[in-house]
Amino acid sequence: GNSVTQMEGPVTLSEEAFLTINCTYTATGYPSLFWYVQYPGEGLQLLLKATKADDKGSNKGFEATYRKETTSFHLEKGSVQVSDSAVYFCALSDLTGNQFYFGTGTSLTVIP
Amino acid sequence: DAGVIQSPRHEVTEMGQEVTLRCKPISGHNSLFWYRQTMMRGLELLIYFNNNVPIDDSGMPEDRFSAKMPNASFSTLKIQPSEPRDSAVYFCASSYPTGAPLTDTQYFGPGTRLTVL
Repeated sequence: GNSVTQMEGPVTLSEEAFLTINCTYTATGYPSLFWYVQYPGEGLQLLLKATKADDKGSNKGFEATYRKETTSFHLEKGSVQVSDSAVYFCALSDLTGNQFYFGTGTSLTVIP
Repeated sequence: DAGVIQSPRHEVTEMGQEVTLRCKPISGHNSLFWYRQTMMRGLELLIYFNNNVPIDDSGMPEDRFSAKMPNASFSTLKIQPSEPRDSAVYFCASSYPTGAPLTDTQYFGPGTRLTVL
């Protein structure tokens, strides 16, 4: 079946450090892949997405590349800020568009 | 834009009581989703509607849960009777009209934090 696995948290980084949050998926065909972010006390917001292999999604300095060969969609940012502290969710929508799966979320805390 | 509106933001009730959560999607969106978030199970899709019609309710945990969407601007999630294990944050989300609702960007509301004593 379809599923998303993302790295366990929590992750704590110093400001300006490099961030990687790993996400791998299992799916039939070519799903659409997403990263959502949840700031404290708020609902989820779409951060970026990619709908086909080798696409790179980017937003607010974050990037993720859809890698079919490794079934991965790792989230990266070159220099994190305190304001990036949040929970990050990897997600996929299957080929039919009829099912949607979230990972368990990775909590990120950035300290000054 | 007002965004997705959910009410109430917080609900505390006693076991056995009926609970109704409300959602107003973004105007013009024709897909609506209900999620539940807990520490143990993470974020779970309960049910989603397209053009006011329930498409997939396989995530609804049991018969105590029901959801309706009487029109394009309003949806409810009802739990009757409520149990302590229903305590969670319930999110509503909506998305633009296209042919495949679950491939689109979903816009989430702020959530309703439900506590069942």
